[in-house]
Amino acid sequence: SQQGEEDPQALSIQEGENATMNCSYKTSINNLQWYRQNSGRGLVHLILIRSNEREKHSGRLRVTLDTSKKSSSLLITASRAADTASYFCATAPNTGNQFYFGTGTSLTVIP
Amino acid sequence: EAQVTQNPRYLITVTGKKLTVTCSQNMNHEYMSWYRQDPGLGLRQIYYSMNVEVTDKGDVPEGYKVSRKEKRNFPLILESPSPNQTSLYFCASSPYRGLYNEQFFGPGTRLTVL
Repeated sequence: SQQGEEDPQALSIQEGENATMNCSYKTSINNLQWYRQNSGRGLVHLILIRSNEREKHSGRLRVTLDTSKKSSSLLITASRAADTASYFCATAPNTGNQFYFGTGTSLTVIP
Repeated sequence: EAQVTQNPRYLITVTGKKLTVTCSQNMNHEYMSWYRQDPGLGLRQIYYSMNVEVTDKGDVPEGYKVSRKEKRNFPLILESPSPNQTSLYFCASSPYRGLYNEQFFGPGTRLTVL
């Protein structure tokens, strides 16, 4: 399986703290995407980073990509209770037309 | 409103009874896909379609069929459902060259096969 893995599986922090989650993948990629899922709902796209980019920002989100280590991290700064959700990375390999999702990180932000 | 719709949202059925989960998007997207989500396994791609009349297997296609006769619709068919197909199913769509763009997800269909 080419499915990625995320670390940690679960994370619990206080409101206002930063949250960092990591994604490791197995093949060469065109891009890597991060999605958020509120409990039992559809996924919402957060950010896309291409293989030739090393860092990208969007509001309170910061994503890094290290293609040599086949890994990415998502940092959420100044977390809010509304950030409580599961976060998934998804990779689009250089060959083929499939997406591969990670196993997800469950984030709980305590008010 | 730009969206991906799925029906039904919840379904309880019995082993062997054929069912179809519909998926429709109103964004004129070429790429459409079906995923299943199971605890601890994340999302796994079942089938995807690059465009009308073009479909391909994902990671877990066994027991499923799809068709893409129109650009907007991409139904998922379970000819003879079994309990191991109990799962949460998501349809998603993307613009041209879907892999290079974000995916838009439907709200999900929770299927229970008894």
